[in-house]
Amino acid sequence: DVKVTQSSRYLVKRTGEKVFLECVQDMDHENMFWYRQDPGLGLRLIYFSYDVKMKEKGDIPEGYSVSREKKERFSLILESASTNQTSMYLCASSLAIQGGEVAFFGQGTRLTVV
Amino acid sequence: AQKVTQAQTEISVVEKEDVTLDCVYETRDTTYYLFWYKQPPSGELVFLIRRNSFDEQNEISGRYSWNFQKSTSSFNFTITASQVVDSAVYFCAQASPGSARQLTFGSGTQLTVLP
Repeated sequence: DVKVTQSSRYLVKRTGEKVFLECVQDMDHENMFWYRQDPGLGLRLIYFSYDVKMKEKGDIPEGYSVSREKKERFSLILESASTNQTSMYLCASSLAIQGGEVAFFGQGTRLTVV
Repeated sequence: AQKVTQAQTEISVVEKEDVTLDCVYETRDTTYYLFWYKQPPSGELVFLIRRNSFDEQNEISGRYSWNFQKSTSSFNFTITASQVVDSAVYFCAQASPGSARQLTFGSGTQLTVLP
């Protein structure tokens, strides 16, 4: 079974803190993604990576950065957390063949910034 | 640009009722893929189905069925004889070949099945 594991289910951080969200997949997928989920807005793409050290901005990259030093690991970084970054964060991975590949998701990290 | 619309924000049904979740998509691509995912309270999105734009045949899997109509740009999902365990948020999504950005999601439909 494909497994995408996010390091934390729940996090509470203070405004201004640097926050790391970690994601690991075990299926040797080339693509990895970070989404943010908010009520009424669905899932919005923050960043994605199609290879080690390669990344591209998604729809809402402001206030975030990412790191992919190894193929299986994709980290989302909030350089200075703010209350409007309180949200559910979902990591996903997929093969990179023709596009339209099925994405597999982690269990999500619910981040609260106080 | 791609867009996926799920106009139903919340639906409540009583167990054993049939329920249809609507999904309308917009794309200029002639080749594309459509998906449905289920998000139970545990949080993880679970893949349900993928269809490509050249296959308009409806699909049935147990109590689940999907109706793909290119003429109306819709990809609706029906649960027959709903059960309490079907309670979840359901997302429709679209992707196009050659796009590493992957999925464009709708806003989701919260389905509550009451006992």
